[in-house]
Amino acid sequence: SAVISQKPSRDICQRGTSLTIQCQVDSQVTMMFWYRQQPGQSLTLIATANQGSEATYESGFVIDKFPISRPNLTFSTLTVSNMSPEDSSIYLCSVEGSLGTGEETQYFGPGTRLLVL
Amino acid sequence: GQSLEQPSEVTAVEGAIVQINCTYQTSGFYGLSWYQQHDGGAPTFLSYNALDGLEETGRFSSFLSRSDSYGYLLLQELQMKDSASYFCAVYSGSARQLTFGSGTQLTVLP
Repeated sequence: SAVISQKPSRDICQRGTSLTIQCQVDSQVTMMFWYRQQPGQSLTLIATANQGSEATYESGFVIDKFPISRPNLTFSTLTVSNMSPEDSSIYLCSVEGSLGTGEETQYFGPGTRLLVL
Repeated sequence: GQSLEQPSEVTAVEGAIVQINCTYQTSGFYGLSWYQQHDGGAPTFLSYNALDGLEETGRFSSFLSRSDSYGYLLLQELQMKDSASYFCAVYSGSARQLTFGSGTQLTVLP
């Protein structure tokens, strides 16, 4: 499976500010995914990021709030804009990787733990 | 849309066997995955079933019945380190999107 790293691993931010989270993969991948996991909750897909095109956002998430960049096949960023305490979550990036059986599954980065005061 | 149901909590003792069930409703089903997440950690991939039947990987096994829209994760010879949240997740739709269940908190007692 691909090795995925995220920066920062955690941060404490003031409301009204923005934070950009980086996701780096050690191999080229077509699609990268960004998820949010609110405290005690499950994972919710924010958007899918393809290189060379605009990200595709899920219902309830908008580009103005969560702009995404995908400049190449190994890197993506997610910005959480104009933050409020409700944005306190773990933000995770993931990529699809081969299972060696012809099937693929998603593997997750270590996550960015964000606390907004 | 997609929906998944799994128990919120399961408790078992060391050395026991536990089964975590997952039922789903979705269109364009591709497969069912299971992930483990320890407190403070990221989800770790455990298994994937695209076809009916049982897949075994060490102490963990996963089962799928596509006709029943049902699967389960079986953990054998439980260890304390197995205490974690377990999520089922379905791949579905034209975009092969991954949708997660609400998670099952497994507590393994000594």
